[in-house]
Amino acid sequence: GAVVSQHPSWVICKSGTSVKIECRSLDFQATTMFWYRQFPKQSLMLMATSNEGSKATYEQGVEKDKFLINHASLTLSTLTVTSAHPEDSSFYICSASGGPEARSTEAFFGQGTRLTVV
Amino acid sequence: LAKTTQPISMDSYEGQEVNITCSHNNIATNDYITWYQQFPSQGPRFIIQGYKTKVTNEVASLFIPADRKSSTLSLPRVSLSDTAVYYCLVGDARGYQKVTFGIGTKLQVIP
Repeated sequence: GAVVSQHPSWVICKSGTSVKIECRSLDFQATTMFWYRQFPKQSLMLMATSNEGSKATYEQGVEKDKFLINHASLTLSTLTVTSAHPEDSSFYICSASGGPEARSTEAFFGQGTRLTVV
Repeated sequence: LAKTTQPISMDSYEGQEVNITCSHNNIATNDYITWYQQFPSQGPRFIIQGYKTKVTNEVASLFIPADRKSSTLSLPRVSLSDTAVYYCLVGDARGYQKVTFGIGTKLQVIP
């Protein structure tokens, strides 16, 4: 299957700093990427939908100025957590799909990024 | 997006067949049913997808009745490594549609 790679796998940052997480589709062009957040023992919560070349669409309750998403190319989307606080500590996961032209009907997920804000 | 209901947890002994049922009463005509597996601190992994009747691949089978209001994921002869959370998702099969996760089923395989 297609491969989606996230980087870094884990990161520890100080409160008040910003952290960037990258999501790359390695062997296909991802028209759309999704960003999720998962707290311990909970399900994945969709944060935003990112379409290449346009602004991301954020889910209700997700601060777009705090979670900056950039999808500048068909293989890369980034999520920047700005002015991180301890409550932002979570497991962040991206997924990618090739859009309506894609042959595959499944979404491909990255391995996730564990963010710890101290 | 169709809402799904799954058991929160299940236990099974090694070597047994495990069936996890998911209810999706308001599934739409264009919706497919997809199951994902997630291990701790990893992203979800695609298991199987179907629209109706039965689908089988190398790791699982998916049974979907004619009314499509439910589906059953069948894992043959589970091993300890199958201990994970299993998510049933319902939505438009076209990859660009957003996917919403339910609570999932925590499967614990016992030696």
